[in-house]
Amino acid sequence: DQQVKQNSPSLSVQEGRISILNCDYTNSMFDYFLWYKKYPAEGPTFLISISSIKDKNEDGRFTVFLNKSAKHLSLHIVPSQPGDSAVYFCAASAGSGSGNTGKLIFGQGTTLQVKP
Amino acid sequence: DGGITQSPKYLFRKEGQNVTLSCEQNLNHDAMYWYRQDPGQGLRLIYYSQIVNDFQKGDIAEGYSVSREKKESFPLTVTSAQKNPTAFYLCASSWGRSRSQPQHFGDGTRLSIL
Repeated sequence: DQQVKQNSPSLSVQEGRISILNCDYTNSMFDYFLWYKKYPAEGPTFLISISSIKDKNEDGRFTVFLNKSAKHLSLHIVPSQPGDSAVYFCAASAGSGSGNTGKLIFGQGTTLQVKP
Repeated sequence: DGGITQSPKYLFRKEGQNVTLSCEQNLNHDAMYWYRQDPGQGLRLIYYSQIVNDFQKGDIAEGYSVSREKKESFPLTVTSAQKNPTAFYLCASSWGRSRSQPQHFGDGTRLSIL
């Protein structure tokens, strides 16, 4: 059972435009969400995160939006640059305090291509 | 320069053979994790360890074993019981229960069957 889903395997956008990557989750216990970026043959690198007490978090060109009622989050990249071309994974974790094991559940990833 | 080092980058396994993937970190992180990535799929958790000499099974632990004798090291052994070992293996580390500190990843080991 896929608890974190990225339903779009790929996305292509023009340089300078907005990229919107989507992620849905099913487990209502998830309360912390992260986005990672991955280049081929490399490990993922952390981009941005959001706690369930917020609905938006912004870091430079990257903004993550969380809609708890819809169990949906999205990553906006504005403006998109060719160097942003990579695979983007969303991840979720559940629990706080002694219940938190640090475990992350990852989506399948979305390959973003930004065309010059 | 702090980070996570995985070796080797490429590894080949013969049928019936056990192989061990190395993961070393110098970030002084308490927790370490092993993930497996297959084409078109996300990262799936194999094993994790929050403290030295302790580790827990993840979602797909069958056919794998780990040890955590030192804080810096978390080797993964792919045993002959793992019938479909061909995959990209990623090691990660973090401060553990502090979720504001995200997991950092190594550059992975690609394992193939001869």
